[in-house]
Amino acid sequence: NAGVMQNPRHLVRRRGQEARLRCSPMKGHSHVYWYRQLPEEGLKFMVYLQKENIIDESGMPKERFSAEFPKEGPSILRIQQVVRGDSAAYFCASSPGLAGADTQYFGPGTRLTVL
Amino acid sequence: GQQLNQSPQSMFIQEGEDVSMNCTSSSIFNTWLWYKQDPGEGPVLLIALYKAGELTSNGRLTAQFGITRKDSFLNISASIPSDVGIYFCAGHASRDDKIIFGKGTRLHILP
Repeated sequence: NAGVMQNPRHLVRRRGQEARLRCSPMKGHSHVYWYRQLPEEGLKFMVYLQKENIIDESGMPKERFSAEFPKEGPSILRIQQVVRGDSAAYFCASSPGLAGADTQYFGPGTRLTVL
Repeated sequence: GQQLNQSPQSMFIQEGEDVSMNCTSSSIFNTWLWYKQDPGEGPVLLIALYKAGELTSNGRLTAQFGITRKDSFLNISASIPSDVGIYFCAGHASRDDKIIFGKGTRLHILP
């Protein structure tokens, strides 16, 4: 009974490099959400995706950030030309999508450190 | 935009004490969720509430969905060391697919 899986768990990048974070939702879940968490802070919504569609990206910066959830394979959050301020924990959550956005289940997160 | 105020921000208690924390919203929610996050891990869903006035228990945890739909509380009875962590409330309004999270209550248990 695998839960939401994220990899890598830890990612170190130098300024200007690209970061790719992967999320595999729970089996049977077709909705994926990405959140960002800074130390001592709550979770900030970034983007909501269904298979092959971005439903809501209102929380994602317009520059350098992109997300996809292809028909096959995991959801990817991509950060281009990373800067120190991108250092944070990035969490993915999934839901079955049967009754809106409630009952989201979270993965263990990817901790991004930008040197 | 919608905001959730979660209080207290942190709590220091003795093992065995009961704990109470709450969340209030500036607008109505149709779903309230309570999560716990351990250090280095993702949030884990504790209790989901779907109906105004609903009172739901999960072991030593009890949560209620306020009648006004603008608040919720979480109680933990007879705290134990593994209750240490950050507790987040979250709300969902039907007109918007996003879940809004509170900033968390950090629970510490004194030795």
